[in-house]
Amino acid sequence: GQSLEQPSEVTAVEGAIVQINCTYQTSGFYGLSWYQQHDGGAPTFLSYNALDGLEETGRFSSFLSRSDSYGYLLLQELQMKDSASYFCAVRSLNSGGYQKVTFGIGTKLQVIP
Amino acid sequence: GAGVSQSPSNKVTEKGKDVELRCDPISGHTALYWYRQSLGQGLEFLIYFQGNSAPDKSGLPSDRFSAERTGGSVSTLTIQRTQQEDSAVYLCASSFSTSGLKNIQYFGAGTRLSVL
Repeated sequence: GQSLEQPSEVTAVEGAIVQINCTYQTSGFYGLSWYQQHDGGAPTFLSYNALDGLEETGRFSSFLSRSDSYGYLLLQELQMKDSASYFCAVRSLNSGGYQKVTFGIGTKLQVIP
Repeated sequence: GAGVSQSPSNKVTEKGKDVELRCDPISGHTALYWYRQSLGQGLEFLIYFQGNSAPDKSGLPSDRFSAERTGGSVSTLTIQRTQQEDSAVYLCASSFSTSGLKNIQYFGAGTRLSVL
C-alpha cells in the first residue's frame, strides 16, 4: 500500500522560516508534489520534485530525497496569508499500471504576528 | 474555460436519493481526477481518467459510486442511494498530462454535498 506522514499542525511567527516534512512509503514512485489549500478554497499547486535535491520558487522551496523516502516544503519570510493547509502528494505507478496520486492528511500552518 | 468548473457548488439531498456531480476540465487537459474531502481531512482519491484509456476506479469507496467522462472532456460523478457518510466536498482536478511538470493538477472549487 501507500502511506504518507506529515505533521498535522505547525505554528510559526510572521517573518520566520518553517519546514514541513513529509515521509512516504510507496512502490513505483514518480514524484512528490506540494499543494496549498486555504480554508474553504481549492488546493493550488506549489511545487513538484521528481529528482533528489532542492527546487526553489520564490519564498517556497521543496526538497526530495528518494533514497530516504522523504521530502519537505520550506517557507521563508512567512506572511499572515501563508496560513493554510499544506498537502504533500506522491505520484506513483500502482499495480494496475495506472499513475496514481496519493495525498497526505495535510499540515495546518498557523502564522502568528 | 479559464479553469476547472464544477457544478453544482452546493447540493443538499435526502438519504437514498441519487446525485450527479459535474466537472468541466481545462480545455486541452487529458487527465481528470475526482477526490473527496471530508471536513478537516485530506484528499481521498476516487477515480482518474487519462485520455481515452480505461479509468482507474481503484479509489471508489463502493459500487454506489460511478463516473464517466464523455468525449474526453466533461465528467460526471454519480452517487446512487446516497448515505449520510457521503457528505463531503467533492473536488475535481485536471492536468495537461501525467509526465513531469505537466502533471500539475488544477482544482475546481468543489461541490459540497450534504446528505440529510
